[in-house]
Amino acid sequence: QKEVEQDPGPLSVPEGAIVSLNCTYSNSAFQYFMWYRQYSRKGPELLMYTYSSGNKEDGRFTAQVDKSSKYISLFIRDSQPSDSATYLCAMIRGTGGANNLFFGTGTRLTVIP
Amino acid sequence: DTEVTQTPKHLVMGMTNKKSLKCEQHMGHRAMYWYKQKAKKPPELMFVYSYEKLSINESVPSRFSPECPNSSLLNLHLHALQPEDSALYLCASSQDSISGGASDTQYFGPGTRLTVL
Repeated sequence: QKEVEQDPGPLSVPEGAIVSLNCTYSNSAFQYFMWYRQYSRKGPELLMYTYSSGNKEDGRFTAQVDKSSKYISLFIRDSQPSDSATYLCAMIRGTGGANNLFFGTGTRLTVIP
Repeated sequence: DTEVTQTPKHLVMGMTNKKSLKCEQHMGHRAMYWYKQKAKKPPELMFVYSYEKLSINESVPSRFSPECPNSSLLNLHLHALQPEDSALYLCASSQDSISGGASDTQYFGPGTRLTVL
């Protein structure tokens, strides 16, 4: 079993829809959670970063963490065609160490105008 | 400023060529990383430099040779590559890689798209 599981998609939604992207993890040592957005043929861009269980909002994006269920989500409200990208969840253990970032497999999202 | 720059953007090379990829960051980060990413896959860690010393080599073939001339620069020297080495090569940096938590958050460059003929 992989340490981080992510719905691979692809996911296709109409413009204006609410998008929900999800990851689960098995290792309770993960304490910090990120969402990266990666456009085709570009590097991953850090979108959201959270630590605590609960919600963190930034504009149209909300990151949600449920440590008791080992489940994280990214919600995109009023989705736009420019949101079409691959979204990667990533997690960091709290204990440090150079090999410390674990990625999900990525979900490819297409927002149709 | 959270920018990591990489050059070149694209590189095409033959199997007998020697080339280098370059990465630079001016965020004062002390950890720098090389990743390889194939299409529709997440990035795979290749090397980690922590405080300018190689701390992780993920069993990468010797035809890839990393170098960290100073805390802001990271190079990846390429020699005798194979067509299966064609991929997007990503550089990333973080504040450090030993404290854990927020300081391990990695910022990625745009990548170099490498094609080996």
